[in-house]
Amino acid sequence: EPEVTQTPSHQVTQMGQEVILRCVPISNHLYFYWYRQILGQKVEFLVSFYNNEISEKSEIFDDQFSVERPDGSNFTLKIRSTKLEDSAMYFCASSARTSGNEQFFGPGTRLTVL
Amino acid sequence: AQTVTQSQPEMSVQEAETVTLSCTYDTSESNYYLFWYKQPPSRQMILVIRQEAYKQQNATENRFSVNFQKAAKSFSLKISDSQLGDTAMYFCAFMTPYTGNQFYFGTGTSLTVIP
Repeated sequence: EPEVTQTPSHQVTQMGQEVILRCVPISNHLYFYWYRQILGQKVEFLVSFYNNEISEKSEIFDDQFSVERPDGSNFTLKIRSTKLEDSAMYFCASSARTSGNEQFFGPGTRLTVL
Repeated sequence: AQTVTQSQPEMSVQEAETVTLSCTYDTSESNYYLFWYKQPPSRQMILVIRQEAYKQQNATENRFSVNFQKAAKSFSLKISDSQLGDTAMYFCAFMTPYTGNQFYFGTGTSLTVIP
């Protein structure tokens, strides 16, 4: 069964450094999402992406964040200058259609900012 | 604003018994969808069951069923004949087209099935 994959599984970085989190969505899906979960808190929506542009973004998704689909398979989240509070689990998700449909989640990337 | 509340951080159940996980939500929208996702240890979240708000009939998937009380804004998950493989974190989630189909998650319930 197709799965969403994410790399790396764990990323450690120094404050102020740029990180790129990578995701390979399910191949025939058209809608892509990033969520994050700070330890002990809820999973929170960051951004959705469709047709090569951002559809929706949350207040968390400020100018330090960007997303890209550089080729036909990868979907990336870039954090330009990481802060301590960016330490979290980041989940990628994809769906075939939008309204009301199941989103398929990746296993997550644990980002630790020192 | 949409919110989802799961008031049971941890639960346990004996193998083969039945357990119910609670979830309440708040929204002013009329068109929405509710989901239960399961996240086994060190694995990704997978869909357990989905409910459309305009359907009165409660969704069922094999041993999993929901009790959807729209007026009370309650969406509980019942797991019958619990199995060891049901041990996982369970997340309740809400989605509405009016806010871009993003998921709003509860804080999760960690369920342990005891042999």
